[in-house]
Amino acid sequence: NAGVTQTPKFQVLKTGQSMTLQCAQDMNHNSMYWYRQDPGMGLRLIYYSASEGTTDKGEVPNGYNVSRLNKREFSLRLESAAPSQTSVYFCASTQGGENTDTQYFGPGTRLTVL
Amino acid sequence: AQTVTQSQPEMSVQEAETVTLSCTYDTSESNYYLFWYKQPPSRQMILVIRQEAYKQQNATENRFSVNFQKAAKSFSLKISDSQLGDTAMYFCAFMKHSVRGTYKYIFGTGTRLKVLA
Repeated sequence: NAGVTQTPKFQVLKTGQSMTLQCAQDMNHNSMYWYRQDPGMGLRLIYYSASEGTTDKGEVPNGYNVSRLNKREFSLRLESAAPSQTSVYFCASTQGGENTDTQYFGPGTRLTVL
Repeated sequence: AQTVTQSQPEMSVQEAETVTLSCTYDTSESNYYLFWYKQPPSRQMILVIRQEAYKQQNATENRFSVNFQKAAKSFSLKISDSQLGDTAMYFCAFMKHSVRGTYKYIFGTGTRLKVLA
């Protein structure tokens, strides 16, 4: 049982390049989330998916797109990377439902945009 | 909109002593959940403790306990018998049900705790 996995762990991009961050969970959770973490700002929600087939914007969605490929996988795409997107990105999941509200996090991806 | 405030950017404590991390939040909701997460240098986010707002009894998990004051909208974390392994960034988080039946979390900006030998 690996929990929440993310790939890659580190990535360096040049301005304008695109890339996709992958996230998968093996806990049969319904909801999945993408956050970014910047110094002094905590975690901010980029996008989330309540269930397979649905996605919604969070607090800071501009410059990102997401895909809930199936119940296990939730990817985050940067179409044209900008230096302001340099950050640590976390994927998380929750079961959903009563008493199953705890979020489980992946190990994070450190992204640098030059 | 809900907000979560952690007013202590950094704290330090001697090993074996007790430390309290503060968290306040603002909401008009009556039913919600509160969490403390720990992020050690490895970057992994680890759940420390959770509290349901409808429960008056404060949650405890071994050396970790909370002081939940619903009327004051305060949710502090007390770490007893501090250990070197407690050195980490600690995040307070507020959660409520959102549309489409999922949960939305709002995190504070974190408190960096250093345990001194």
